[in-house]
Amino acid sequence: DTGVSQDPRHKITKRGQNVTFRCDPISEHNRLYWYRQTLGQGPEFLTYFQNEAQLEKSRLLSDRFSAERPKGSFSTLEIQRTEQGDSAMYLCASSSLTGTANSPLHFGNGTRLTVT
Amino acid sequence: GESVGLHLPTLSVQEGDNSIINCAYSNSASDYFIWYKQESGKGPQFIIDIRSNMDKRQGQRVTVLLNKTVKHLSLQIAATQPGDSAVYFCAENINGGSQGNLIFGKGTKLSVKP
Repeated sequence: DTGVSQDPRHKITKRGQNVTFRCDPISEHNRLYWYRQTLGQGPEFLTYFQNEAQLEKSRLLSDRFSAERPKGSFSTLEIQRTEQGDSAMYLCASSSLTGTANSPLHFGNGTRLTVT
Repeated sequence: GESVGLHLPTLSVQEGDNSIINCAYSNSASDYFIWYKQESGKGPQFIIDIRSNMDKRQGQRVTVLLNKTVKHLSLQIAATQPGDSAVYFCAENINGGSQGNLIFGKGTKLSVKP
């Protein structure tokens, strides 16, 4: 399977704990995105990288959230001091930007976070 | 608020019939639109996209229509099958899709009756 891979698929944590999620994009894709999705809603943009550079962050990304893509390949999303409102599906996507043409975003199957 | 929305939150069709899922957008600067299908427990799956220099694009059993005058987008699925049952999202972007922030609507749940 050469699609976007996310780990873990599910994470249950207690309020106040830190969690970290990993995303492995499609190998030839230079862009990587993080989205959050709550039940019954469409995905909401959090942040994205082009290679190792983080180019945009949403207002949704509070200072408790940090994302990295140190070598321009896989990415991690860390949430510190989790709150119950952080419970959601965290989706990773990747795409290939060539010049100004961006390929469609391809999504992974997400990490479902439950904060108790 | 969101600039992409949907007219119908749920749609139920008979197997073999054609399905039409509608979407309205409000950002006149949007020039790239994309439809995703999301099955339970999975991430969104790309179906088809269209740029604003086109008003129609066809894929396998799917057609996307874009009406820029009224800022309306639709997804037509021909001969709907049980495997088409899912939530369908439209999304928009500017600058031909090169921007990072893809804005999604809330989704339409399609149920296919055998």
